[in-house]
Amino acid sequence: DTGVSQNPRHKITKRGQNVTFRCDPISEHNRLYWYRQTLGQGPEFLTYFQNEAQLEKSRLLSDRFSAERPKGSFSTLEIQRTEQGDSAMYLCASSSVGTGSEANYGYTFGSGTRLTVV
Amino acid sequence: AQSVTQPDIHITVSEGASLELRCNYSYGATPYLFWYVQSPGQGLQLLLKYFSGDTLVQGIKGFEAEFKRSQSSFNLRKPSVHWSDAAEYFCAVGPLEYGNKLVFGAGTILRVKS
Repeated sequence: DTGVSQNPRHKITKRGQNVTFRCDPISEHNRLYWYRQTLGQGPEFLTYFQNEAQLEKSRLLSDRFSAERPKGSFSTLEIQRTEQGDSAMYLCASSSVGTGSEANYGYTFGSGTRLTVV
Repeated sequence: AQSVTQPDIHITVSEGASLELRCNYSYGATPYLFWYVQSPGQGLQLLLKYFSGDTLVQGIKGFEAEFKRSQSSFNLRKPSVHWSDAAEYFCAVGPLEYGNKLVFGAGTILRVKS
């Protein structure tokens, strides 16, 4: 297994454009998380999926953001009408739901997609 | 609300010196606690975690952390720092609610001088 894969690694876009990021989790993991990390801050939770169901969205996830996980495999995060404030590192993580809490926190993070909105 | 405070934004230590990175949390029950490391342009790598039991936990790369409930702290330590330890370190707390989300501190950037 190659771990959690995120593409692209870097994205530069003009303000107002739409962008889409992809995350391929570890194949046997059924939970997938998106976090956003801005400069000088720790990652902040955006949303998560269990299989194909999106179970929670943070209030940070405005209407311009949408995430999907069709068939419970890879996930996409789309940002419409990008703004300069969307510039950040977008991190994906996956984990499996186990029989104990420790298993549930067995996160594996991807290397992230760095978005720059100019 | 749950929160994590890492009081030191930057720390510089000499190679071979000991290291302690501070982490304080605010949480209403017994938390799950984590330390992650992030190298520039990379994702997060788990160093160690605490769920229960022995309050001194050992991690990878020679790191350890001690959970002190009375001080709401989970400080990370290493007896002898190597130049390759230069990175950003994040403390995180896992709320005991469905979804197992993590709440991260703002991070501490470690610089190692030779």
